[in-house]
Amino acid sequence: ETGVTQSPTHLIKTRGQQVTLRCSSQSGHNTVSWYQQALGQGPQFIFQYYREEENGRGNFPPRFSGLQFPNYSSELNVNALELDDSALYLCASTTGAGNTIYFGEGSWLTVV
Amino acid sequence: DQQVKQNSPSLSVQEGRISILNCDYTNSMFDYFLWYKKYPAEGPTFLISISSIKDKNEDGRFTVFLNKSAKHLSLHIVPSQPGDSAVYFCAARQEDTGGFKTIFGAGTRLFVKA
Repeated sequence: ETGVTQSPTHLIKTRGQQVTLRCSSQSGHNTVSWYQQALGQGPQFIFQYYREEENGRGNFPPRFSGLQFPNYSSELNVNALELDDSALYLCASTTGAGNTIYFGEGSWLTVV
Repeated sequence: DQQVKQNSPSLSVQEGRISILNCDYTNSMFDYFLWYKKYPAEGPTFLISISSIKDKNEDGRFTVFLNKSAKHLSLHIVPSQPGDSAVYFCAARQEDTGGFKTIFGAGTRLFVKA
């Protein structure tokens, strides 16, 4: 139990639609990062938020965007969904100077 | 460009024996290394870590070794138990603009046979 909660746990969307995934970070953690894990691969870094500002981004197109709120919870938004966006989306939190990130259970997205 | 590589997709070990999972990295700027374990339908769980200034860290049955000159780290599990069967991810942290980011390998699936 990491204290990181994500919603929804599973969802199905149609190609071209938009999706919003949500994450509540562990108490005291002000840094949230999002990862995409496709089948058979490791988690791929999407981006990271620290005190409501994006402070790191992986190799993902601009249709992947995010927000962090004053209570440090976060959203991942994906526009113009493509079939290849089908994956497990993981949220992880840590303190600003933390070495270790702690994951939630993930949100399974299927794009049909 | 895969900066963290786990070249063995799977490993099978007998219960009670040692499991050795390997990981190689290419970026000499990584300053912290971690191992995560993942069961199906769950998020990755932190297992053990090591700072780049050390070469060994031990926690119970789990020991991580770091060889900086070879850019290689390994996770040893002794003795292996059936409950250790899971996917293990190696990860490395690097400083990025304004913060840090953690990069993961593709994972190694460990099977521990009873």
